Amino acid sequence: EAGVTQFPSHSVIEKGQTVTLRCDPISGHDNLYWYRRVMGKEIKFLLHFVKESKQDESGMPNNRFLAERTGGTYSTLKVQPAELEDSGVYFCASSQPGLGLKNEQFFGPGTRLTVL
Amino acid sequence: DAKTTQPPSMDCAEGRAANLPCNHSTISGNEYVYWYRQIHSQGPQYIIHGLKNNETNEMASLIITEDRKSSTLILPHATLRDTAVYYCIVRLNYGGSQGNLIFGKGTKLSVKP
Repeated sequence: EAGVTQFPSHSVIEKGQTVTLRCDPISGHDNLYWYRRVMGKEIKFLLHFVKESKQDESGMPNNRFLAERTGGTYSTLKVQPAELEDSGVYFCASSQPGLGLKNEQFFGPGTRLTVL
Repeated sequence: DAKTTQPPSMDCAEGRAANLPCNHSTISGNEYVYWYRQIHSQGPQYIIHGLKNNETNEMASLIITEDRKSSTLILPHATLRDTAVYYCIVRLNYGGSQGNLIFGKGTKLSVKP
């Protein structure tokens, strides 16, 4: 079974440009999360989808970030316009309730974003 | 903010047991202790979780003190591949709770040959 996949693995853009990150969760997982780690900091939660609905977006830093999950399958995270402080690694995770009560989140490998 | 405190780093000899401590003195009665790890250049990976009883799976054992204010993750026979940052996280765990994880700084475990 395929795990969580993310695209691209790396992205280098200039300040002011737009970047769109994509996450494909494990098939059938209703819950999808975005996290990020900026340089020298802890991994921080950004937002949580349940199917296509935003359950919790309290971690989104500002309105330059837009996340979507049309159809409740894959998700995109757009940063527009990108700023230097947006550089970091963006992780996506998915989970499904009722699977052994682990409430385990499965993480993708991350997208490393560098804003120059 | 994370509700846990962990030592920033630890070393362990290959083949020996690695014991990683975690303090969570403000844990609530309905919060579980979860452990994840992040191997370099990969996403975090679930290891184990527990409420109050000790737990064991194919990866590790989790020992939780009786007052639940601290716990220890045990890797019984550490290998070089276990070199990673280990995160202790407290969170709710009930059927409908699928909330986010709150990561602290974790413990960087270095397994040495």
